[in-house]
Amino acid sequence: GAVVSQHPSWVICKSGTSVKIECRSLDFQATTMFWYRQFPKQSLMLMATSNEGSKATYEQGVEKDKFLINHASLTLSTLTVTSAHPEDSSFYICSAIRPPITDTQYFGPGTRLTVL
Amino acid sequence: SQQGEEDPQALSIQEGENATMNCSYKTSINNLQWYRQNSGRGLVHLILIRSNEREKHSGRLRVTLDTSKKSSSLLITASRAADTASYFCATDGRAAGNKLTFGGGTRVLVKP
Repeated sequence: GAVVSQHPSWVICKSGTSVKIECRSLDFQATTMFWYRQFPKQSLMLMATSNEGSKATYEQGVEKDKFLINHASLTLSTLTVTSAHPEDSSFYICSAIRPPITDTQYFGPGTRLTVL
Repeated sequence: SQQGEEDPQALSIQEGENATMNCSYKTSINNLQWYRQNSGRGLVHLILIRSNEREKHSGRLRVTLDTSKKSSSLLITASRAADTASYFCATDGRAAGNKLTFGGGTRVLVKP
């Protein structure tokens, strides 16, 4: 199978601090990873597409300076929520594409962020 | 943007009954996928149906796709308590590359 992990699974931080969330593909190399955000009882909203070795592509309305994405290796992408505020509290989920199959995304278990 | 809409938003059934949920979308697609999400967890891929397919089966799951109506349905037969979860459809639009656009989801409760 294709396993994607996220760390941490949950985090609580104070307003104004920055939080880094890691997304790893454990048994495959992922040239492309995606970051989603999900509010309670709502659907997933794509935030950005992360390609290894290049800048992330952000969806309209997502602040790239607020949500820093780094995809430094074929197995790791990180999302850093900078100067977090309570409205950033959400469930963040990453997914990865496992080549050569490109039409199925494998999802991580998600990270619950609570900003106090 | 969310192009998929799902109905019903919530569904409560008894164990053993069938559960049917529908998904509608707006633009042309390469394929449509269904995912399951247990509360507070990640998504599990259930089934993918391509735009040139009309029906697909996987175990107790049956998916249909009607591209003329831009709609899909997911049927879970002989439901079990363990099927309690939220179910999302996701489309891979022809102009969107590999990006997925998710529907609003259907929350299914299977009562034992």
